[in-house]
Amino acid sequence: EVALVESGGGLVQPGGSLRLSCAASGFTFSSSWMSWVRQAPGKGLEWVANIKRSGSDQYYADSVKGRFTISRDNTKNSLSLQMTDLRVEDTAVYYCARGLGGSDWGRGVLVTVSS
Amino acid sequence: EVVMTQSPLSLPVTLGQPASISCTSSQGLVHSDGNTYLNWFQQRPGQSPRRLLYQVSKRDSEVPDRFSGSGSGTDFTLKISRVEAEDVGVYYCMQGTDWPPITFGQGTRLEI
Repeated sequence: EVALVESGGGLVQPGGSLRLSCAASGFTFSSSWMSWVRQAPGKGLEWVANIKRSGSDQYYADSVKGRFTISRDNTKNSLSLQMTDLRVEDTAVYYCARGLGGSDWGRGVLVTVSS
Repeated sequence: EVVMTQSPLSLPVTLGQPASISCTSSQGLVHSDGNTYLNWFQQRPGQSPRRLLYQVSKRDSEVPDRFSGSGSGTDFTLKISRVEAEDVGVYYCMQGTDWPPITFGQGTRLEI
């Protein structure tokens, strides 16, 4: 059974940094694109970033480009999102999702940016 | 950027009755490989999103056959043949044809 478990969320001040992780199991991680999608409180879904199977290419939403970095470790079946220069508007539940089409999702982790 | 527009944004339904949600894209979603990367997601209250349909009409595993998808070009529809109580939640369409960015519709809240 596919499982995606996010961790690393929490409260951070504006301008601060946070690193999210996603532990994957139940599928061949190295064969799947991976994505981060976020959802601000009471709002809809917003795509954040994707990473290719090998990790060689990454793609970002304009809203996070230059501040967030997506990466993966195929030896550990792990996906990460390094977030820097965080803003109040980055407050959201962050989901790890499998593939470009979001075939499977984790339960999400809450990131709160507030002073 | 491809803009995805859903309607209605709120959909009151009666148990056992059909329901339909529309999703319109600002440009055609046929990829150069011939596929149309239009997906539908369900998000029940307090839960993560769950994909129901991919490439317009292909049902994911364990998705009840009362859910169906149709459409082409820029106009797509999610239909529920007979609404059940467990179908309450928010439904999103998403395009993965022309990206970045991957874009979602605003969501349609289905309520009994």
